[in-house]
Amino acid sequence: DAGVIQSPRHEVTEMGQEVTLRCKPISGHNSLFWYRQTMMRGLELLIYFNNNVPIDDSGMPEDRFSAKMPNASFSTLKIQPSEPRDSAVYFCASSLKVQYSYNEQFFGPGTRLTVL
Amino acid sequence: DAKTTQPTSMDCAEGRAANLPCNHSTISGNEYVYWYRQIHSQGPQYIIHGLKNNETNEMASLIITEDRKSSTLILPHATLRDTAVYYCIVDRGGSNYKLTFGKGTLLTVNP
Repeated sequence: DAGVIQSPRHEVTEMGQEVTLRCKPISGHNSLFWYRQTMMRGLELLIYFNNNVPIDDSGMPEDRFSAKMPNASFSTLKIQPSEPRDSAVYFCASSLKVQYSYNEQFFGPGTRLTVL
Repeated sequence: DAKTTQPTSMDCAEGRAANLPCNHSTISGNEYVYWYRQIHSQGPQYIIHGLKNNETNEMASLIITEDRKSSTLILPHATLRDTAVYYCIVDRGGSNYKLTFGKGTLLTVNP
């Protein structure tokens, strides 16, 4: 299995530009998570999807951030407009949610975003 | 309000056992202890989890005290590739998607 795939691995953009991060979860997994990691705040959950439906987006910082999951094999995290404080590593993770059992999350390699 | 307390950093000699402590004195009866680790420039990786019994898998062992207020992750024979930040997370089972990562322990395995 290829694991969770994220693209791009690195993104450098200028303030005000739109940024789209992409994620392909592990085939067969039904839960998908977007996290953000910075030195100051550590690793934070932004949003969680189950069966392509957003379940909890309470971690999304503000309206500039949006996430979609049009099908079971693809998700995007969009930032529009981007700001320097959005610079971070963004991780996507997936898991197979089965009731009454723990389902480990498998993380992708991350996208390092730099907003100038 | 942090649910867990871990040392900021630890060192271990290659080939020796690494024992990583975690305090979770406010743990509730339905909450599990999870361990993940993050090797530099990679995404976090699941290691092990437990409720009240000791657990062992191919990566590590988890020892939970009888009162469940603390636990220890044991890497029996640490290698250089085990150098990473280790996160101890306490959360309930079932819909356990809310992994709240603290600052973790940076374990450095020395040759």
